Amino acid sequence: TQLLEQSPQFLSIQEGENLTVYCNSSSVFSSLQWYRQEPGEGPVLLVTVVTGGEVKKLKRLTFQFGDARKDSSLHITAAQPGDTGLYLCAGADNQGGKLIFGQGTELSVKP
Amino acid sequence: NAGVTQTPKFRILKIGQSMTLQCAQDMNHNYMYWYRQDPGMGLKLIYYSVGAGITDKGEVPNGYNVSRSTTEDFPLRLELAAPSQTSVYFCAGQDGQNTEAFFGQGTRLTVV
Repeated sequence: TQLLEQSPQFLSIQEGENLTVYCNSSSVFSSLQWYRQEPGEGPVLLVTVVTGGEVKKLKRLTFQFGDARKDSSLHITAAQPGDTGLYLCAGADNQGGKLIFGQGTELSVKP
Repeated sequence: NAGVTQTPKFRILKIGQSMTLQCAQDMNHNYMYWYRQDPGMGLKLIYYSVGAGITDKGEVPNGYNVSRSTTEDFPLRLELAAPSQTSVYFCAGQDGQNTEAFFGQGTRLTVV
């Protein structure tokens, strides 16, 4: 079974700081996705990265897919309180393509 | 646009009772999933389906059953509820691999 390991599990920072969240696996994924989840809601897709080495930007969020397609990172520049939430990485595993998730990173940005 | 609809939103069950969590989607998705989420944690896959008539186990299938008689509906059945099944359950639909998964609002289940 393929696993996705996220780190850190919890992150509490001050407004304006930068942060990076990591998503690692020992297996190759055809793509990785990042979702954001707010309390009481289902996860919502932020981005899908498909090509090894790919970098995608979404305003202050930068997503990178590792060259070997085994890992990904999410970097937030100048974090805002509105960035608070649970960030989840996900990928289609190589047994049937089912979507599996990492354990999540709980981010709290304090004003 | 309804998207993915889950019912009920909340439910309290007694140990040993059974219930069905409903999930319906109007996006013509082939893939559908059931996940459970414990507090502050990620999503663990219970069961999934790649099309009508096809279902398969995920990471934590014990104590649950599913069916997929139509493309639109993917109910999750709990036969003998146990306290360990207290969790928030999410249903999701997806067109295919590597595409966006759309989630329902979740069902918060408490087993006492």
